[in-house]
Amino acid sequence: KNQVEQSPQSLIILEGKNCTLQCNYTVSPFSNLRWYKQDTGRGPVSLTIMTFSENTKSNGRYTATLDADTKQSSLHITASQLSDSASYICVVSPLGGTASKLTFGTGTRLQVTL
Amino acid sequence: NAGVTQTPKFQVLKTGQSMTLQCAQDMNHNSMYWYRQDPGMGLRLIYYSASEGTTDKGEVPNGYNVSRLNKREFSLRLESAAPSQTSVYFCASSERGGSPYNEQFFGPGTRLTVL
Repeated sequence: KNQVEQSPQSLIILEGKNCTLQCNYTVSPFSNLRWYKQDTGRGPVSLTIMTFSENTKSNGRYTATLDADTKQSSLHITASQLSDSASYICVVSPLGGTASKLTFGTGTRLQVTL
Repeated sequence: NAGVTQTPKFQVLKTGQSMTLQCAQDMNHNSMYWYRQDPGMGLRLIYYSASEGTTDKGEVPNGYNVSRLNKREFSLRLESAAPSQTSVYFCASSERGGSPYNEQFFGPGTRLTVL
């Protein structure tokens, strides 16, 4: 069964600090991996998508990396802000799969404090 | 553009009651989805509609029915609610469900409690 595991489950950091969230997956063969941000009480919003051939992709202060050989991805947040407090969800799509075949991780809950 | 809207935002039901969750999108997307989100678990697909006029079961369809009313609207019905259906329900849409690269846009969710 395809699985997506995220770590840590939760994280508290001071405003201005950097952090890195991890995503390990077993989905194979693999098509793409997407990171979503979910604010409390809201639906997930896509931050970035990475395909098999991409190693790094940035979206402002968010940088995602992908190692398709080890089936690992990370999301690095630079100079965190209070508004970064949210859950971050890793979602993996299998090769040849449709949008109905996504596997969602359980998310990492990030809290940024003063 | 409102994106994906869902009603109601909150609902409390008694065991055995029925209800319909409504979802609408204004992005002219072809595909729509219903997910549930439970603590400690990833989002799980209940039903989806790849295009107007079609619906298919997802990972956890038991106890639910859906209707793709038109291109904009996709409803989820609980015929006889059970406590195990207590969850947060999300509707999503994407331009074309056949491609895994299409981003899914999510609604704000409906928090349902079944007593």
